[in-house]
Amino acid sequence: RKEVEQDPGPFNVPEGATVAFNCTYSNSASQSFFWYRQDCRKEPKLLMSVYSSGNEDGRFTAQLNRASQYISLLIRDSKLSDSATYLCVVASDRGSTLGRLYFGRGTQLTVWP
Amino acid sequence: DAGVTQSPTHLIKTRGQHVTLRCSPISGHKSVSWYQQVLGQGPQFIFQYYEKEERGRGNFPDRFSARQFPNYSSELNVNALLLGDSALYLCASSLAQGNSGANVLTFGAGSRLTVL
Repeated sequence: RKEVEQDPGPFNVPEGATVAFNCTYSNSASQSFFWYRQDCRKEPKLLMSVYSSGNEDGRFTAQLNRASQYISLLIRDSKLSDSATYLCVVASDRGSTLGRLYFGRGTQLTVWP
Repeated sequence: DAGVTQSPTHLIKTRGQHVTLRCSPISGHKSVSWYQQVLGQGPQFIFQYYEKEERGRGNFPDRFSARQFPNYSSELNVNALLLGDSALYLCASSLAQGNSGANVLTFGAGSRLTVL
């Protein structure tokens, strides 16, 4: 079983739409959670960290459910520039896997005019 | 400020050859990690080095090796290349070893390796 499971999509939505991505993780000892964005043939870049209480950054809202081991990302009012692959990432902050990031395979989003 | 720099950006090798990829971390960062990203998949952890010592190794064969130098730059070496080694190799640096708080990984643009 993979550490992080994501629906690969693709998601194709019009500008202004609201879109939600989900992922699940298998290691209940995971302590840190992130969403990364990766543009085509570029490196992953941190979009936002995910906190237990949920957090918002402009049009982006991230949620974490530790009991269900489930992470979500909601994008409101989609822009053309949001087109990218969104990677769900979990990390352990202790023990032998300290510092290691586990990536999902990514969910591809295309926003069309 | 310069970010994480990697070289070469692209390279083509044939099966059986070896390759050395290089990474310079952000100034002041002491931890360097290597990830392999095969097309259509998320990055997969290969190694982490902190203060010039290996601190973690992913599920990769012994053909993969790495080291970190006194200036915190790093090299990833892959011997006896296989077709399946074709991938984007990403280097990331951070201040320290963990991933919490301000200690977040920053990735370089990667080295794209094609094995023929």
